[in-house]
Amino acid sequence: GAVVSQHPSWVICKSGTSVKIECRSLDFQATTMFWYRQFPKQSLMLMATSNEGSKATYEQGVEKDKFLINHASLTLSTLTVTSAHPEDSSFYICSARAGSHEQYFGPGTRLTVT
Amino acid sequence: AQSVTQLDSQVPVFEEAPVELRCNYSSSVSVYLFWYVQYPNQGLQLLLKYLSGSTLVKGINGFEAEFNKSQTSFHLRKPSVHISDTAEYFCAVSDFYAGNMLTFGGGTRLMVKP
Repeated sequence: GAVVSQHPSWVICKSGTSVKIECRSLDFQATTMFWYRQFPKQSLMLMATSNEGSKATYEQGVEKDKFLINHASLTLSTLTVTSAHPEDSSFYICSARAGSHEQYFGPGTRLTVT
Repeated sequence: AQSVTQLDSQVPVFEEAPVELRCNYSSSVSVYLFWYVQYPNQGLQLLLKYLSGSTLVKGINGFEAEFNKSQTSFHLRKPSVHISDTAEYFCAVSDFYAGNMLTFGGGTRLMVKP
């Protein structure tokens, strides 16, 4: 149980275009999902907390107009990287809260902007 | 505010040898502690967690960790490692007031050599 999927697993896009990444909780409902960014050989950096039916809460330094988050249902949150640039290339990981202390992580999405 | 320090960025060890990955945290309130493992190009998998109760916590794949409140540590141990344990390991902390938000350490790369 408690499986989280992400789609796509990897994506290559051209600079200036937008990319949408989906995060789904497959066998449980998640009122809260989290989006992380991970650079090579580094730890995870929390970008934002996504709450179903309300606006996401962004961490300091994360541009909310660039990283659009939509948590439209209890099983789906999406992250859209708008007007992507090469510096946005990274590994994006989502997680979903199950219960009061558990977070289950998706397999990640590798974004490369050329 | 919380913080997590993983003292070793890399730990090389021979197969079947014991290993300890160190984790220290700082927090002004009671904490919940987690160890996650990340294999290349994958998301995070929960190894074990400490919420309350016994300070010795056993997890999957033969790993265990001990919560030491006086030393603010949560070191991860395994008595005999396998080649398949080669991965990145992350220590993370949360607390009641953080609302499930995890603060991650910088990660430790465990490299098991034959």
